[in-house]
Amino acid sequence: NAGVMQNPRHLVRRRGQEARLRCSPMKGHSHVYWYRQLPEEGLKFMVYLQKENIIDESGMPKERFSAEFPKEGPSILRIQQVVRGDSAAYFCASSPNSGANVLTFGAGSRLTVL
Amino acid sequence: GENVEQHPSTLSVQEGDSAVIKCTYSDSASNYFPWYKQELGKRPQLIIDIRSNVGEKKDQRIAVTLNKTAKHFSLHITETQPEDSAVYFCAASGFTGGGNKLTFGTGTQLKVEL
Repeated sequence: NAGVMQNPRHLVRRRGQEARLRCSPMKGHSHVYWYRQLPEEGLKFMVYLQKENIIDESGMPKERFSAEFPKEGPSILRIQQVVRGDSAAYFCASSPNSGANVLTFGAGSRLTVL
Repeated sequence: GENVEQHPSTLSVQEGDSAVIKCTYSDSASNYFPWYKQELGKRPQLIIDIRSNVGEKKDQRIAVTLNKTAKHFSLHITETQPEDSAVYFCAASGFTGGGNKLTFGTGTQLKVEL
């Protein structure tokens, strides 16, 4: 089992560009969570998705950020018109179909906005 | 929503001493309390967790205690070793609609000195 796979691991964007971060959950997991970690800070919940459904997006900024988890393929976190404040590590986690509480994290995608 | 507070923010101990990290939570409905260890530049990794029907859980040098009445829980590391140096995060969640959303504390930077 390859675990939770995230790519790219590192992404550099200029202000105003778009960033797309991908997450493939562990095999058999249908629940995906995105967290953001600013430098030397904790993990902040952004969004929780199941296949083709956004369950909880209470942590997502109202503008420029969106997430999806299509029937086929990875979950994608999309940030439009990036600004320097978007620079952070974005972690994806997944949990089993049973809805058990244990979250397994991916290695993260580190976004740098120049 | 849930709010988790964590103390101390930094902790230095001598090798072989014990380390204790404390967290409080606000939502009495929370029933799952994991602890994650994050080394610099790495993903958060689950080290131990406890559910609300248990007051204490131990795994080798690591133990967690939970006081539901007071809404606080603690991580205890005994016989600390240099490789225990990392940032530790507590978290709390309840089971919501078939999934889980963890609210994290702000982290404790543990440094084990030789």
